[in-house]
Amino acid sequence: AQSVTQLGSHVSVSEGALVLLRCNYSSSVPPYLFWYVQYPNQGLQLLLKYTSAATLVKGINGFEAEFKKSETSFHLTKPSAHMSDAAEYFCAVSDWRYSTLTFGKGTMLLVSP
Amino acid sequence: DTAVSQTPKYLVTQMGNDKSIKCEQNLGHDTMYWYKQDSKKFLKIMFSYNNKELIINETVPNRFSPKSPDKAHLNLHINSLELGDSAVYFCASSQGQGAIGRYEQYFGPGTRLTVT
Repeated sequence: AQSVTQLGSHVSVSEGALVLLRCNYSSSVPPYLFWYVQYPNQGLQLLLKYTSAATLVKGINGFEAEFKKSETSFHLTKPSAHMSDAAEYFCAVSDWRYSTLTFGKGTMLLVSP
Repeated sequence: DTAVSQTPKYLVTQMGNDKSIKCEQNLGHDTMYWYKQDSKKFLKIMFSYNNKELIINETVPNRFSPKSPDKAHLNLHINSLELGDSAVYFCASSQGQGAIGRYEQYFGPGTRLTVT
């Protein structure tokens, strides 16, 4: 069975600081991995995805993530946080057969001025 | 033009009632899903439909019955609502399934169901 672990339910950064949100996965087959963002009272929006092409994936809003097979990780980073980045972030792995997503428990990113 | 829409956005009802949530996608996708997000923000797959056929039913009580009248719609009907059904329900769609799991899913805005 696939699973996703997101370390840290809350991450606090100052505006302009580096953002690092951690995600580790477990999968018996090469995974498809995704990061989604959820703003308050809204649906989920795709930030980026890994589908076995380049290991460094660039997404929207300046986010990127690096797939590291040896570490089974897919951490999300952004060089400089903006206030508008404050939201809940979910890492997810896609089931190879059915495409259903297994989500991590989410990380709330808090950005202070 | 909304890609995945859900109605209603908010639903407040009493225990024992029956309610439905509607979902429509205008992306031309083959596969649609229902996810449940609990009070701790944890998201879990409930159902997956591909071309109007049920593919996945993830140990959801049979009080929940999805119905797909066509490829663009996937409705969720819930019978005999219980307090524990209170959650946010998200509809999603994607271009395909199986090894095409590399396609991202597009989510609706969610329906917040409150059972009193």
